[in-house]
Amino acid sequence: GAGVSQSPSNKVTEKGKDVELRCDPISGHTALYWYRQRLGQGLEFLIYFQGNSAPDKSGLPSDRFSAERTGESVSTLTIQRTQQEDSAVYLCARQGPANTGELFFGEGSRLTVL
Amino acid sequence: GEDVEQSLFLSVREGDSSVINCTYTDSSSTYLYWYKQEPGAGLQLLTYIFSNMDMKQDQRLTVLLNKKDKHLSLRIADTQTGDSAIYFCAESITANNNDMRFGAGTRLTVKP
Repeated sequence: GAGVSQSPSNKVTEKGKDVELRCDPISGHTALYWYRQRLGQGLEFLIYFQGNSAPDKSGLPSDRFSAERTGESVSTLTIQRTQQEDSAVYLCARQGPANTGELFFGEGSRLTVL
Repeated sequence: GEDVEQSLFLSVREGDSSVINCTYTDSSSTYLYWYKQEPGAGLQLLTYIFSNMDMKQDQRLTVLLNKKDKHLSLRIADTQTGDSAIYFCAESITANNNDMRFGAGTRLTVKP
């Protein structure tokens, strides 16, 4: 597979609740990305982790969104006080060969906020 | 911001050729990609082309790039039912990916 596992695959929550989404890439990949895929729209870049460098958080849509990653391991994306517009598929990806820019995606976590 | 646009739906008959089109606005785009997303699966890179190329062929797939018009197309010859999926066009300036922009995806339906 792509070497990226995401959980949960589906999450239904009530408006106002906090949710945590998890991404677990195979080891040895320093670059990790989170994207959001809303229905009928392209993927939106959220955040990028590269080794021990400060993450690029420029795509996070509001301060309700945050993400963490320790070293080259698991990353978690947290959405606080969820809103209905947060409903989307959240995709995690690891970087492939540097000369192609290829990304390897997980299967995503589908979030539905009621 | 810079946009990547593609039509949302395409339907073809099995055995016909499929052509999926994409336009982008950033003239600095260096890397252009086609990703495929099958139902319930993550996106997978199908093929890519560098901006200094006009065409790339890989078995049944042909990618054409018109850099002047900022137009990218993916042609699938002898389309099969297994080709039914969503195809995403994407572009980036660097291989760093945090500047990668994706289109909304074209849902290809192949009818027997």
